[in-house]
Amino acid sequence: NAGVMQNPRHLVRRRGQEARLRCSPVKGHSHVYWYRQLPEEGLKFMVYLQKENIIDESGMPKERFSAEFPKEGPSILRIQQVVRGDSAAYFCASSPEQASPLHFGNGTRLTVT
Amino acid sequence: KNEVEQSPQNLTAQEGEFITINCSYSVGISALHWLQQHPGGGIVSLFMLSSGKKKHGRLIATINIQEKHSSLHITASHPRDSAVYICAPSEPPGTYKYIFGTGTRLKVLA
Repeated sequence: NAGVMQNPRHLVRRRGQEARLRCSPVKGHSHVYWYRQLPEEGLKFMVYLQKENIIDESGMPKERFSAEFPKEGPSILRIQQVVRGDSAAYFCASSPEQASPLHFGNGTRLTVT
Repeated sequence: KNEVEQSPQNLTAQEGEFITINCSYSVGISALHWLQQHPGGGIVSLFMLSSGKKKHGRLIATINIQEKHSSLHITASHPRDSAVYICAPSEPPGTYKYIFGTGTRLKVLA
């Protein structure tokens, strides 16, 4: 019974490249959330998706960032033209319903050089 | 003033000690998570509560909605409890909009 799977665990990108972060939720969970943790800071909400729909993207930067959760396959957080300030740990969480406890993945640590 | 404040920020305890971590928040909430983050970064949800008290093994979480305060207690602490403990209340209307504290870094010595 796998939990939330995120890959890769570590990702290094040069400035200007694209970063793709993947999240497979717990089987049966249709609600996915992405959070970002900057060094020495707390987690910050980015985006909430339900299968094929973005419910709330108010925490996601308007430019360069996008997220999807297709009918088949994992949720993807995509960062285009990465900059050093994008270096952070990105966590995905899932839940069976919106008001249910969250199940977190182990995160993807993005380093932009 | 931060919306979520945890105390202490750092805590070192001897194995077997009773530990209390406090969380005060200024927002109106619908629920509150206590999370555990281990070195290496994985996050585990320990409790989600909106009132009263919950217990799981050696862990106890309490919340006082009127006082906007929650506590996490660890009884008979063990070195494997060493981690960062994060309090995260959520604003209405959606329980997914958690506001995460920066955490309490706990180290339990053998």
